Amino acid sequence: QKEVEQDPGPLSVPEGAIVSLNCTYSNSAFQYFMWYRQYSRKGPELLMYTYSSGNKEDGRFTAQVDKSSKYISLFIRDSQPSDSATYLCAMALSGSRLTFGEGTQLTVNP
Amino acid sequence: DSGVTQTPKHLITATGQRVTLRCSPRSGDLSVYWYQQSLDQGLQFLIQYYNGEERAKGNILERFSAQQFPDLHSELNLSSLELGDSALYFCASSLNTRGETQYFGPGTRLLVL
Repeated sequence: QKEVEQDPGPLSVPEGAIVSLNCTYSNSAFQYFMWYRQYSRKGPELLMYTYSSGNKEDGRFTAQVDKSSKYISLFIRDSQPSDSATYLCAMALSGSRLTFGEGTQLTVNP
Repeated sequence: DSGVTQTPKHLITATGQRVTLRCSPRSGDLSVYWYQQSLDQGLQFLIQYYNGEERAKGNILERFSAQQFPDLHSELNLSSLELGDSALYFCASSLNTRGETQYFGPGTRLLVL
């Protein structure tokens, strides 16, 4: 069993839709939770990070962490065609390496 | 632009050869991480350096090695290359060792023929 599970999609939505991306994890020792966006095999771009259960908002993006259920989500409001990319969840123990999900490929159609 | 630079962008080489990938972290960042991204394995952590010292090792093959120099740039050396080593290699940097804010470079695309 992988430590981090993420539905690879692909996910296709119309412009303006609310997008929900999700990951589950098995290692309860993970302390930091991140979301990255990757455009066509370019370097992953850090979108958000958090280290506690609850919600964190940044513009159109909301990251949600539920440590009791070992579940994290990223919500994108008012999605735009420019949001079309692969979204990767990542987690870390204190101190270093990131463990990534497989990535969810998102297409926002105009 | 994350501020992390990697060279070269593309590398084509033959099996059995050796290559060196270079990474310059963001200004002020002391930690450098190397990751490999392949279609079947996703993004996998290879190794971390902090201020010149090896800090953590992941799924790095014995044929691969890395180092971080006094000016904090890092090099990843891949030797005795095999077809399966073809992948994207990313470097990331962060200010500290906690790892929650790692900024990735544009990557080096390696093709082994």
